[in-house]
Amino acid sequence: DAMVIQNPRYQVTQFGKPVTLSCSQTLNHNVMYWYQQKSSQAPKLLFHYYDKDFNNEADTPDNFQSRRPNTSFCFLDIRSPGLGDAAMYLCATSRGGGLLYEQYFGPGTRLTVT
Amino acid sequence: AQSVTQPDIHITVSEGASLELRCNYSYGATPYLFWYVQSPGQGLQLLLKYFSGDTLVQGIKGFEAEFKRSQSSFNLRKPSVHWSDAAEYFCAVGAGDNDMRFGAGTRLTVKP
Repeated sequence: DAMVIQNPRYQVTQFGKPVTLSCSQTLNHNVMYWYQQKSSQAPKLLFHYYDKDFNNEADTPDNFQSRRPNTSFCFLDIRSPGLGDAAMYLCATSRGGGLLYEQYFGPGTRLTVT
Repeated sequence: AQSVTQPDIHITVSEGASLELRCNYSYGATPYLFWYVQSPGQGLQLLLKYFSGDTLVQGIKGFEAEFKRSQSSFNLRKPSVHWSDAAEYFCAVGAGDNDMRFGAGTRLTVKP
């Protein structure tokens, strides 16, 4: 089945130690998104790629970076995780840009910062 | 900027009972409106969406929602809840190209 895959499902990192979360998709979608969802809060868009074009949300901290080496893969890099970065990180894809296109979500990676 | 309020953090209903989850939005123009469901350990799945036209929208899994402009609401309903409907439900409002704002979610518990 075509899907959005996130690895790992659970990640533990130390305060200040760089960490990378991975997302891959078999849907061949043009757009890939990263959301942050803190406990009991709404998912919040961090950034998205339309093909190779990177679009950062205005309030996304500089500590968060992303790479998309090809259509299938997208990575979220947290350069120096703080305790406040502990959250579920959701990857999503859509066929085209804009909200007319449905977003398909992966199961998420739960990040713990110790 | 647009925003979404889901007034109920947690709702418990009995299996077979009807369900209504509330969603209120704030946006100056006609919004795009969505309901997503998130089961434990799963990603978000789109239940239904409203862009324009008929204000009563049918979705998957027997859910429907009604857009009421006068009340700035987009409540989700289901006539008879199944145990498998227990999950977290998110309402979202969209504006602009990719600007989708989610509510904080309503957790649904289904009693046998």
